[in-house]
Amino acid sequence: AQTIHQWPVAEIKAVGSPLSLGCTIKGKSSPNLYWYWQATGGTLQQLFYSITVGQVESVVQLNLSASRPKDDQFILSTEKLLLSHSGFYLCAWDRGDAEQFFGPGTRLTVL
Amino acid sequence: GEKVEQHESTLSVREGDSAVINCTYTDTASSYFPWYKQEAGKSLHFVIDIRSNVDRKQSQRLTVLLDKKAKRFSLHITATQPEDSAIYFCAGGDAYKVIFGKGTHLHVLP
Repeated sequence: AQTIHQWPVAEIKAVGSPLSLGCTIKGKSSPNLYWYWQATGGTLQQLFYSITVGQVESVVQLNLSASRPKDDQFILSTEKLLLSHSGFYLCAWDRGDAEQFFGPGTRLTVL
Repeated sequence: GEKVEQHESTLSVREGDSAVINCTYTDTASSYFPWYKQEAGKSLHFVIDIRSNVDRKQSQRLTVLLDKKAKRFSLHITATQPEDSAIYFCAGGDAYKVIFGKGTHLHVLP
């Protein structure tokens, strides 16, 4: 069975500080991977997707970057957090048939 | 830019009644329309989807209808149960890019 893990579960960070969020998928080789951001009480905004190691496509620029250093790992990062980065970050994967499976999410508070 | 509009922000129904959530989209190239459910404070779970090569798909109490001409799709839930209460998101796009609606908070009242 496939499992998706996100870390950390929650983070409180200062404006201007760096950020790194991680996502790991176990039990599935070569998944398509996605990052989403959800403002509190809001809709989901797709940020990035990756269909293979080392390749990441940006969907919307929010002063964030993403990397896929391994087949099963997807990293979201920024060197300087903004207040507007607060929210719920969700990683998802699919098998190539577009039905996406979401991770438990990371709740980020920027103060 | 392209949009997916979700028409009902809140929907209240009595347990056992049906619920319908409606969405429209602007991108005529959209070919994939999933629905997701989110319970308070939790992540999203896939509910059902439909592709542009069909106009109807049913899974147990759930039916999705797609009207490509009107660029409209809808989720129908029959015999609603208290555990159906959640926020439902529609989305539209292609294999890798999807745009989400703003969500419909469904309340199933006893």
